[in-house]
Amino acid sequence: SAVISQKPSRDICQRGTSLTIQCQVDSQVTMMFWYRQQPGQSLTLIATANQGSEATYESGFVIDKFPISRPNLTFSTLTVSNMSPEDSSIYLCSVGGSPPGTDTQYFGPGTRLTVL
Amino acid sequence: GENVEQHPSTLSVQEGDSAVIKCTYSDSASNYFPWYKQELGKRPQLIIDIRSNVGEKKDQRIAVTLNKTAKHFSLHITETQPEDSAVYFCAADTSGTYKYIFGTGTRLKVLA
Repeated sequence: SAVISQKPSRDICQRGTSLTIQCQVDSQVTMMFWYRQQPGQSLTLIATANQGSEATYESGFVIDKFPISRPNLTFSTLTVSNMSPEDSSIYLCSVGGSPPGTDTQYFGPGTRLTVL
Repeated sequence: GENVEQHPSTLSVQEGDSAVIKCTYSDSASNYFPWYKQELGKRPQLIIDIRSNVGEKKDQRIAVTLNKTAKHFSLHITETQPEDSAVYFCAADTSGTYKYIFGTGTRLKVLA
């Protein structure tokens, strides 16, 4: 499976600021996704990162709060904007569709965000 | 909306015993059902998966069964070991897309 890295691995931020999380894959992948995992909870899909076009957001998540970029088939960023303590969570990227047609998702190591 | 229910939320077993985790999904178009294991502070790791054209799949001590009519699928771990202790998540793809809906998770503790 693909090797997936995320940066930063963790961060502590002040409320009202923004943080951009990077997800890098060592091979081209069709699908990239961003999830949020609140402490002790399951994984919730934020959006699908589409290469060369706007991300597709799930109900309850909006572009102004979580802008996403995907400039190519190996890289994506998620920005958490105007943060509040409620945004404290683990943010995970996942990749799928590699090889094309396969639907298994593999996860990055996650970014642990604490907002003070 | 579509959802995946998972039971139990916590499960304690003695080392060597079996563990069973059950999930129910609502989307009749779901075709792919992966299971992930997440150890504390780590990323979710795929441990086994099953597709809708298969009723059962086994990989060493781990097996998954699927009842598509009832929209149930289950994870079976035999001869449990302390290193099996983790949180397990089931998932189902949604309406033939690559997106998943995850279950709420089961915290498995294997007691030595």
